[in-house]
Amino acid sequence: GAVVSQHPSRVICKSGTSVKIECRSLDFQATTMFWYRQFPKQSLMLMATSNEGSKATYEQGVEKDKFLINHASLTLSTLTVTSAHPEDSSFYICSAQGVAGGMYEQYFGPGTRLTVT
Amino acid sequence: QQQVKQSPQSLIVQKGGISIINCAYENTAFDYFPWYQQFPGKGPALLIAIRPDVSEKKEGRFTISFNKSAKQFSLHIMDSQPGDSATYFCAAKWDQAGTALIFGKGTTLSVSS
Repeated sequence: GAVVSQHPSRVICKSGTSVKIECRSLDFQATTMFWYRQFPKQSLMLMATSNEGSKATYEQGVEKDKFLINHASLTLSTLTVTSAHPEDSSFYICSAQGVAGGMYEQYFGPGTRLTVT
Repeated sequence: QQQVKQSPQSLIVQKGGISIINCAYENTAFDYFPWYQQFPGKGPALLIAIRPDVSEKKEGRFTISFNKSAKQFSLHIMDSQPGDSATYFCAAKWDQAGTALIFGKGTTLSVSS
């Protein structure tokens, strides 16, 4: 149980284009989903917290107009990187929160490797 | 008050040995402490988690030890195997709906055969 999927796993796009990444909780409902960014050999950096049916809350320094997050249902959240530039190249990972054993646990997707050329 | 400090940054252990990774937190409101394992190019996978009302939790070869007064917790991997070679992250948060994990910087474990 507690499986989170992400699509696509890898994407290469040209500078100036937009890319959408989907995150789905496959076997549980997630009222909250999180989006992280990870640089090589570094820890996970929280970008935003997304609650179903409401606007995402962005961390300080994250441009909300560049990283559009939509959480339309209890099993789907999307991250759109608009007008992508090479510095947006990174590993993006989503996480969905579910309840297990009385604890609010976070389960992570497999990640999406974005390369902007 | 939001930091989680993790050590060591890297660790080399012989096959069959015990791997120990330590974390310290500052925010006394934190009440959920998980450990994640991440392989290169993959998302983190939840290994084991603990609440502060318990001093130790064991799942298979993985054990969390928790010291509330010292605000420290650690991961012990018994009988370490080459397949355990990965990056391990500790994390902490206030265990409520909608709150995000605060991660340590990670420990790269290499288990030599």
